Amino acid sequence: EAQVTQNPRYLITVTGKKLTVTCSQNMNHEYMSWYRQDPGLGLRQIYYSMNVEVTDKGDVPEGYKVSRKEKRNFPLILESPSPNQTSLYFCASSLIGDPGGYTFGSGTRLTVV
Amino acid sequence: AQSVTQLDSHVSVSEGTPVLLRCNYSSSYSPSLFWYVQHPNKGLQLLLKYTSAATLVKGINGFEAEFKKSETSFHLTKPSAHMSDAAEYFCVVSDRSGGSYIPTFGRGTSLIVHP
Repeated sequence: EAQVTQNPRYLITVTGKKLTVTCSQNMNHEYMSWYRQDPGLGLRQIYYSMNVEVTDKGDVPEGYKVSRKEKRNFPLILESPSPNQTSLYFCASSLIGDPGGYTFGSGTRLTVV
Repeated sequence: AQSVTQLDSHVSVSEGTPVLLRCNYSSSYSPSLFWYVQHPNKGLQLLLKYTSAATLVKGINGFEAEFKKSETSFHLTKPSAHMSDAAEYFCVVSDRSGGSYIPTFGRGTSLIVHP
């Protein structure tokens, strides 16, 4: 089944403790992206990647890192999480140049206390 | 640069009545447009897409949208609302800005359906 898999689904952590949210897709998509969703603000893009070893900042990159060492994986790293990073996070992927829609993961609800 | 505006943050309808969720876009190129639906505690699901073919696009669950270039609009409609349609809806625009298709999301419209 074609899908984007995020882990974990739920995470509660403490301020300053490094964490990684994993994202993996099995569709050979070049494009992958991370979004955060907050009430009243919709989805805001954090980082995106056009291919292996190619990443770019989105609209709200501060406090986040990403890497794209393999085509299928695009982890989101919070080196020192803060409470304002409490949010619902989504990973998405698609083919570049094929605006046929994006496949989203099921989301990761992160709480930083 | 591309942008998208969802004109209503909340829309409330009664079951069995028509649904209209409004979306206006801005794009320097021929855009692709999408509607996504997000049910409570779920991920986003593609409802329908416009990619320069027919201007009236039919999607899942009886939804459809019409691309109107002169009005730069891509409103989502359904003839008769069902309780299960209650969800958050996102309009998305994507064009060739910068040489690649990077989507821009609207802020979302919450559809409330009353019995």
